Amino acid sequence: NAGVTQTPKFQVLKTGQSMTLQCAQDMNHEYMSWYRQDPGMGLRLIHYSVGADITDQGEVPNGYNVSRSTTEDFPLRLLSAAPSQTSVYFCASSYRGGDYEQYFGPGTRLTVT
Amino acid sequence: DAKTTQPNSMESNEEEPVHLPCNHSTISGTDYIHWYRQLPSQGPEYVIHGLTSNVNNRMASLAIAEDRKSSTLILHRATLRDAAVYYCILRDEGNSGGSNYKLTFGKGTLLTVNP
Repeated sequence: NAGVTQTPKFQVLKTGQSMTLQCAQDMNHEYMSWYRQDPGMGLRLIHYSVGADITDQGEVPNGYNVSRSTTEDFPLRLLSAAPSQTSVYFCASSYRGGDYEQYFGPGTRLTVT
Repeated sequence: DAKTTQPNSMESNEEEPVHLPCNHSTISGTDYIHWYRQLPSQGPEYVIHGLTSNVNNRMASLAIAEDRKSSTLILHRATLRDAAVYYCILRDEGNSGGSNYKLTFGKGTLLTVNP
């Protein structure tokens, strides 16, 4: 199993540009989520999904969209990038919600200039 | 949401045991206590979790107070590879309710291991 994969590893955007961060898992996990981590901070939940076509907002959802058309993929879209979205983004998956171990991807380091 | 309190940092020597404390005085009866750690420049990784009883696995032990208002992660012999930020997390119920819960990360404890 590849586990949780994220692409790209690094990305630089200009303010106002859009892009999609990709996340995929091959463990048939029901639950997937996106977090962002700013320097010296813990992780903050952006959006999460408890199954195909079911998504919900986390702590910091503004400026981000998600969809979950398949069990395997959970892309995160930035519609109009802002410097405040400069961060490291982590995708995670688990068999179910909080009672189960979450597996994290290696992260995408995003810089918005 | 139930919150946790951890020391900002702790220091240990290699091959000595490490006890990482966590206070969670507002924990509810069905909240699980999870521990994750994050090595430098990596995503978090699961360490251990428990509900009421002490738990052991190949990485660590989790000691949970009888009143569940605090817990301690125990690394039996710290190695340099254990230097990381350790997060103590309680399960939160998501907006969807039911059995679908999300994890809320705090700032964690930065563990430094001296050779």
